[in-house]
Amino acid sequence: DGGITQSPKYLFRKEGQNVTLSCEQNLNHDAMYWYRQDPGQGLRLIYYSQIVNDFQKGDIAEGYSVSREKKESFPLTVTSAQKNPTAFYLCASSPRDSLYEQYFGPGTRLTVT
Amino acid sequence: KNQVEQSPQSLIILEGKNCTLQCNYTVSPFSNLRWYKQDTGRGPVSLTIMTFSENTKSNGRYTATLDADTKQSSLHITASQLSDSASYICVVSASRTYNFNKFYFGSGTKLNVKP
Repeated sequence: DGGITQSPKYLFRKEGQNVTLSCEQNLNHDAMYWYRQDPGQGLRLIYYSQIVNDFQKGDIAEGYSVSREKKESFPLTVTSAQKNPTAFYLCASSPRDSLYEQYFGPGTRLTVT
Repeated sequence: KNQVEQSPQSLIILEGKNCTLQCNYTVSPFSNLRWYKQDTGRGPVSLTIMTFSENTKSNGRYTATLDADTKQSSLHITASQLSDSASYICVVSASRTYNFNKFYFGSGTKLNVKP
């Protein structure tokens, strides 16, 4: 899991509530990513950020929001607009001088009922 | 369409046996290919990474091969151990701009090593 931490490991929420997943890295990496992992599917990109105060939508950004106020932090908010929020969420980061490297955090399992 | 296909979806082998996992891709322009190991409920951990010019790369009992002409890669596990039970994910990186790589993920092969 390197120097990337995600918290909490398990998260339970009621339908209709927004929830924020934490991702922190101490690797001094410029780029950070959020992925969603569902059974039998490859990881899908939600949002990514290449620099502080800038981020871009990935392939499945609807119903999610992010912020990048600090280089080491990239929190993800799952809003009530996300139709199927129950999933395993992975945060990753890459150094600027080696953008093909990607280091993953331990993940957060979100269950919405 | 850029895709990464892995086979088989799942595999059961006996401890001590060898196995080979397959990855076919259609990603372009190709930058590199990486194999990850993901334990249940954990984040993926990198096993090997190969660029266009590399054919084989080893990491202990794990050996990855790459045929850039046929766009195929394999991961061979030798003398399997119970701790090898995990999902193995093939990831292909496409070089899009000077400052961003797009990653394409396979859906993984779930390996179960039985005693």
